[in-house]
Amino acid sequence: AQKVTQAQTEISVVEKEDVTLDCVYETRDTTYYLFWYKQPPSGELVFLIRRNSFDEQNEISGRYSWNFQKSTSSFNFTITASQVVDSAVYFCALSEARGSGGSNYKLTFGKGTLLTVNP
Amino acid sequence: EAGVTQFPSHSVIEKGQTVTLRCDPISGHDNLYWYRRVMGKEIKFLLHFVKESKQDESGMPNNRFLAERTGGTYSTLKVQPAELEDSGVYFCASSPLSHGNTEAFFGQGTRLTVV
Repeated sequence: AQKVTQAQTEISVVEKEDVTLDCVYETRDTTYYLFWYKQPPSGELVFLIRRNSFDEQNEISGRYSWNFQKSTSSFNFTITASQVVDSAVYFCALSEARGSGGSNYKLTFGKGTLLTVNP
Repeated sequence: EAGVTQFPSHSVIEKGQTVTLRCDPISGHDNLYWYRRVMGKEIKFLLHFVKESKQDESGMPNNRFLAERTGGTYSTLKVQPAELEDSGVYFCASSPLSHGNTEAFFGQGTRLTVV
């Protein structure tokens, strides 16, 4: 069975601080995908990143960066120089990878981390 | 391009009543998913349509829940009769068919409160 653990329920930081959101996953699959989604107060889930289990390169996108470590089954998310607009619930998720010709598969989510960035 | 839209955004019903949630996926997306988040818990998978066919309904809680996707476009999720534990936020997501995993695009959710 797949499982995603986000141990941090809530984090509060002051603007311009760096913050790391932790994500630890469990799966028996050798091939899988990891995701991060952001849920702002408006409610929709906004896709941030998808990572294939074979690709352990870290990724940076502006103030966002992701650290994928297969050895520790972790996929942590860091926001550098946080801003008030970063305040949201952040979800880490995991899915199986289908073979060729397959389609997207269901996501297993963590419980989410509520990030509050104070001015 | 319009995103995934869900209707209504909020619904408050009494225990024993029926409620129907609607999801309009992104045009051309053959995959459609329903998820639910009960307060304080994970977002959990309910079911997956590929076009009008149910690909996986392993997450449906019980037979009070009925999902349909006639014609492979929009989908409805009916809860009949609703119970208190059905309260939560119901998300719909869609994605195109592809040869690899692609991200699913989510709607804003329907907040269902059963009183």
